[in-house]
Amino acid sequence: QLVVTQSPSVSASVGASVKLTCTLDSGHSSYAIAWHQQQPEKGPRYLMKISSDGGHTKGDGIPDRFSGSSSGAERYLTISSLQSEDEADYYCQTWDRDSVVFGGGTSLTVL
Amino acid sequence: EMQVLESGGASVQPGGSLRLSCAASGFSVSDHAMNWVRQAPGKGLEWVSTIAGSGGRTYYAASVSGRFTLSRDNSQNTLLLQLISLRPEDAAIYYCVRSSPGRNIYYFDFWGQGTQVTVSS
Repeated sequence: QLVVTQSPSVSASVGASVKLTCTLDSGHSSYAIAWHQQQPEKGPRYLMKISSDGGHTKGDGIPDRFSGSSSGAERYLTISSLQSEDEADYYCQTWDRDSVVFGGGTSLTVL
Repeated sequence: EMQVLESGGASVQPGGSLRLSCAASGFSVSDHAMNWVRQAPGKGLEWVSTIAGSGGRTYYAASVSGRFTLSRDNSQNTLLLQLISLRPEDAAIYYCVRSSPGRNIYYFDFWGQGTQVTVSS
């Protein structure tokens, strides 16, 4: 069964960097994922797709402060020079031939 | 400019029915797989259903299979989600979401703002 796991919460200070992790289950460790951001009281927004080789495809208008990478079954979203507006929930999404799966989301608090 | 606009959300009693619509502009729904994703109050995102861009094959989450039906009207550039036998656990914001082109099931690259469904007696 296709499963992606995220840490529930993380916090970091304004101006710092933070790395969010999305972990694929062992049977699907080569799968690509996508990251989505949901700011408080807003709908989600596509950030980027990350492949197993670390290649990524960003959405329109996503700042350079947002980057993606991969290692084994882990897919990362790194946000540098944190700003207050980065405080949001971040979801990873993956897919199979006939289904889509979301991680439980990581709540990022910017201190 | 791309846009998807959901409508049809309402408050219904358990066992009731609803039809949600998603009107797209700036792209053709027939060129992309299109999806519905829901979010219950205070919870995470849950995939509901997908309709493939070509051929129109549909896919459903186990939680809604047999109760929800997804279809597409290419002439109106609109997506339709019929919901029947609604349960309290179906209460959520329902988002219409576009998939990046290339596969029947793929990553999501554009989200609507959502429409609220409430199921309560």
